[in-house]
Amino acid sequence: QVQLQESGPGLVKPSETLSLTCTVSGGSITNYFWSWIRQPAGKGLEWIGRIYSSGNTNYNPSLKSRLTMSVDTSKNQFFLNLNSVTAADTAVYYCVRDGYSSSSETWGQGTLVTVSS
Amino acid sequence: QSVLTQPPSVSGAPGQRVTISCTGSSSNIGANYDVHWYQQLPGTAPKLLIYAKTNRPSGVPDRFSGSQSGTSASLAITGLQAEDEADYYCQSYESSLSAWVFGGGTKLTVL
Repeated sequence: QVQLQESGPGLVKPSETLSLTCTVSGGSITNYFWSWIRQPAGKGLEWIGRIYSSGNTNYNPSLKSRLTMSVDTSKNQFFLNLNSVTAADTAVYYCVRDGYSSSSETWGQGTLVTVSS
Repeated sequence: QSVLTQPPSVSGAPGQRVTISCTGSSSNIGANYDVHWYQQLPGTAPKLLIYAKTNRPSGVPDRFSGSQSGTSASLAITGLQAEDEADYYCQSYESSLSAWVFGGGTKLTVL
């Protein structure tokens, strides 16, 4: 059964870059879409974007100018980079494997990223 | 302001049936894009509950069902149990944004 694990700094300074890694285990990263979704404390879910194993991406237009996603199939990992962060980017970030009809089928446990000086 | 509108809260007694609505527009649900539903128990990651309008992943009890008509979708929970107390989110594709969007979420309280 596939499992996802987010990793990265829990604290990022304003104006710097938030970088997260999602490691996929128990299955191959190839031939799937992989997404990032975030959730500020006490608030709802926000779709950030997704990447196919070939590297093709779709981004949330509200974040597109600051966002880069990439994938390393040899390591079974995919990555999120969000630059010029502000306090509004403070949230739990989830990595997700997409399933049928782009449903968010399998979720990582999530990692809290706080933007603060 | 979410593109998909859900009631902030619903409640029901054990054994009862509750429904959670998800209201969209002609550029998402009304355009026949699939709606998915998620359950988020306190302190945990969301879990896929219903995909593509009406389908349950393996392991999801048949007490949970989804429907979709026009510009709205609904999640129904029958035989309500204490363990169903959670936040529920709908999701669909928004063509005007070329992005997937979530409803604002509904907190289900089991009385």
